[in-house]
Amino acid sequence: EDKVVQSPLSLVVHEGDTVTLNCSYEVTNFRSLLWYKQEKKAPTFLFMLTSSGIEKKSGRLSSILDKKELFSILNITATQTGDSAIYLCAVVAGGSQGNLIFGKGTKLSVKP
Amino acid sequence: NAGVMQNPRHLVRRRGQEARLRCSPMKGHSHVYWYRQLPEEGLKFMVYLQKENIIDESGMPKERFSAEFPKEGPSILRIQQVVRGDSAAYFCASSPRAGNEKLFFGSGTQLSVL
Repeated sequence: EDKVVQSPLSLVVHEGDTVTLNCSYEVTNFRSLLWYKQEKKAPTFLFMLTSSGIEKKSGRLSSILDKKELFSILNITATQTGDSAIYLCAVVAGGSQGNLIFGKGTKLSVKP
Repeated sequence: NAGVMQNPRHLVRRRGQEARLRCSPMKGHSHVYWYRQLPEEGLKFMVYLQKENIIDESGMPKERFSAEFPKEGPSILRIQQVVRGDSAAYFCASSPRAGNEKLFFGSGTQLSVL
């Protein structure tokens, strides 16, 4: 059965800290891995990764994929209280018609 | 430039009633996905539809749940004879074409069954 596992499930840091969120997966015919940020409402897209070793970057956020070891990390540097959210990792498997398999998420709380 | 619109935001039903959840995809998007999120759980795929067609309903419970995406109007997720276990957040997502893996999500409908 295809699965996506995120760790840690929750994390509390102080403003200015750097955090690393982990996502490992076991799926048939991997196609891509996506990260979303979920605050109180709609999950919003952060990154899509398809190739190993190529870092995607957006401001203080960055992500990289390792297809050999079957995991991805999401880094956030110089965290701010506005980064507090649930970060969701999702994987698209071959033949799945494009639907996403989600992990349970990592709840990040950034304290002032 | 409206995103994915879902309504209602909150829906309260008593056991045995019917729940209808609506989703209007982003402009130009003809592919709609429904997901369910239980407390402390990730989003679980339910169904994938294109206009007038159900493409993949492998995540839908076999009974009481149905979905449609008519030629005109929003996509509807319908739950008949709701039970307490149906209480969850239901999210709709859309994409512009088949196989496009980047989905845009709505704000969800929180269904509470009393």
